[in-house]
Amino acid sequence: AQSVTQLGSHVSVSEGALVLLRCNYSSSVPPYLFWYVQYPNQGLQLLLKYTSAATLVKGINGFEAEFKKSETSFHLTKPSAHMSDAAEYFCAVSDSSGGGADGLTFGKGTHLIIQP
Amino acid sequence: GAGVSQSPRYKVAKRGQDVALRCDPISGHVSLFWYQQALGQGPEFLTYFQNEAQLDKSGLPSDRFFAERPEGSVSTLKIQRTQQEDSAVYLCASSYFGREQYFGPGTRLTVT
Repeated sequence: AQSVTQLGSHVSVSEGALVLLRCNYSSSVPPYLFWYVQYPNQGLQLLLKYTSAATLVKGINGFEAEFKKSETSFHLTKPSAHMSDAAEYFCAVSDSSGGGADGLTFGKGTHLIIQP
Repeated sequence: GAGVSQSPRYKVAKRGQDVALRCDPISGHVSLFWYQQALGQGPEFLTYFQNEAQLDKSGLPSDRFFAERPEGSVSTLKIQRTQQEDSAVYLCASSYFGREQYFGPGTRLTVT
């Protein structure tokens, strides 16, 4: 069975500061990992995905994540937070490339708060 | 082009009523998924269709939940005899042959 754990249900950073959202996974097979963002009353939007190519993955809106097998982690970072980054962020795991041939298993989410 | 659409966006049902939630996937997307997102939680997988075939329904929480996609396009999630614990946002996603899942805005179901 696969699972993801997101450390910290709420993370608060100042505008312009580094954003770090933590995700650890558990998988019995090589995982495919995803970060999604959810704005209020909207569906989920894919930020980036790891599908066993490069371990450092760059996504939209300046976000990136690094796959570290030894630490079973896939933390999301952004060098400089913007007010528009305030949202709910979900880490997800799948055993299928693209997450599109199998259901995704999501973490509980991290609410990112940006302080002006 | 148009994204995944869901209707209604909000539904209030009295306990014991039946509800039907609709999902219109992106045109041409073969795969369709339903997820349930309880308040303050991540989405949880309910069921998966490839065209009209329901290939996985392992996440449906009880036999009161039923999903169909008779013509391989629009899908309906039906909940019979709704209970308070069914209150959640129901998300639909579609994808093209194993590629990225695109999510709709969800239907927020409140059972009173």
